[in-house]
Amino acid sequence: EAQVTQNPRYLITVTGKKLTVTCSQNMNHEYMSWYRQDPGLGLRQIYYSMNVEVTDKGDVPEGYKVSRKEKRNFPLILESPSPNQTSLYFCASSPWLAGYEKLFFGSGTQLSVL
Amino acid sequence: DAKTTQPNSMESNEEEPVHLPCNHSTISGTDYIHWYRQLPSQGPEYVIHGLTSNVNNRMASLAIAEDRKSSTLILHRATLRDAAVYYCILWNNNAGNMLTFGGGTRLMVKP
Repeated sequence: EAQVTQNPRYLITVTGKKLTVTCSQNMNHEYMSWYRQDPGLGLRQIYYSMNVEVTDKGDVPEGYKVSRKEKRNFPLILESPSPNQTSLYFCASSPWLAGYEKLFFGSGTQLSVL
Repeated sequence: DAKTTQPNSMESNEEEPVHLPCNHSTISGTDYIHWYRQLPSQGPEYVIHGLTSNVNNRMASLAIAEDRKSSTLILHRATLRDAAVYYCILWNNNAGNMLTFGGGTRLMVKP
């Protein structure tokens, strides 16, 4: 089944403890992206990647890192999480960066930073 | 960045048509209009998209104004399962970060 898989689904951590949220897609998509969703603010893009080894900042990149060493994986890294990074995170992918394509989203990761 | 404006919420009765509006007055010629919806506790899912002409698929129809400054997502017969937040976004081919989601419209469907 074609899908975007995120793990974990729920994560509770403490301030400053490094964590990684994984994202994997099995559709051979070139484009992958991370969003965070906060009440009243919609989805805001954190980072995106147009291809392997090519990443760029979105609207809210501060406090996050990403890597794209293989086409299928696009992990989101929080080196030193803070409470303001408590949010619902979504990974998305698309065949290409083109408006005639469509985005496929993962099921989300609910992160709580205490 | 081209932005979209949607009503915060709308209500509909089950089995009636629903018209969800979206304004995008600063749309550029290369912006595709996309609609996604987010069911409770799930990630957004694709609904439909178009560039200039109206589009139909098994989920919905998309009506695009002639000047492209607005569009309407049409659910022909709303069901309780259509209760979700619907996002209208503009996708520009020219920049990877031009995928901005606004607050969307929360659709409530009454039985």
